[in-house]
Amino acid sequence: QKEVEQNSGPLSVPEGAIASLNCTYSDRGSQSFFWYRQYSGKSPELIMSIYSNGDKEDGRFTAQLNKASQYVSLLIRDSQPSDSATYLCAVAPRSNNNDMRFGAGTRLTVKP
Amino acid sequence: DTGVSQDPRHKITKRGQNVTFRCDPISEHNRLYWYRQTLGQGPEFLTYFQNEAQLEKSRLLSDRFSAERPKGSFSTLEIQRTEQGDSAMYLCASSPHWSYTQYFGPGTRLTVL
Repeated sequence: QKEVEQNSGPLSVPEGAIASLNCTYSDRGSQSFFWYRQYSGKSPELIMSIYSNGDKEDGRFTAQLNKASQYVSLLIRDSQPSDSATYLCAVAPRSNNNDMRFGAGTRLTVKP
Repeated sequence: DTGVSQDPRHKITKRGQNVTFRCDPISEHNRLYWYRQTLGQGPEFLTYFQNEAQLEKSRLLSDRFSAERPKGSFSTLEIQRTEQGDSAMYLCASSPHWSYTQYFGPGTRLTVL
């Protein structure tokens, strides 16, 4: 089992729709969770971090964390073509927050 | 620009040659990380520095790889006797002492022929 798992996609949604991206992780004691966006050929760009169970909203983005289910998700409301990218879930394990583990990413395409 | 910078952005080398990459973190960030990313995969952790001390190394970091951060500012990653399997994007990230959020540089794309 991979430490951080994501559906590789591609996930395709129409412009204006809600895109839902999911991530599961194996280390139950993980402390910190991050979503990064990566455009093709570019480096990862931080979108959101979440540390506590529940929802965290920032503009069109909402991160959801459920530690009991070892599940973290990212919702993108009013999706735009510029949101088309690969979304990486990253998890910092219990032992320390320096050895961050990334999922393989979900490729999102927003169609105009 | 006050973000993380990396140099060079692209490197093409022949198998068996040595290569060295440089990373300049955001100025007030004392933590620095190196990752490797191949196509279709997420970044894989290689090593971590806090100030000038190298505190963690992944088992992925073979004896051919060495990293330094001599003055606690910029860092270098050297790969000796490169192999075709070393072809990847090498990413550097930094974070401040008050947060574990990591900010990535643009990466160095290595191609080993």
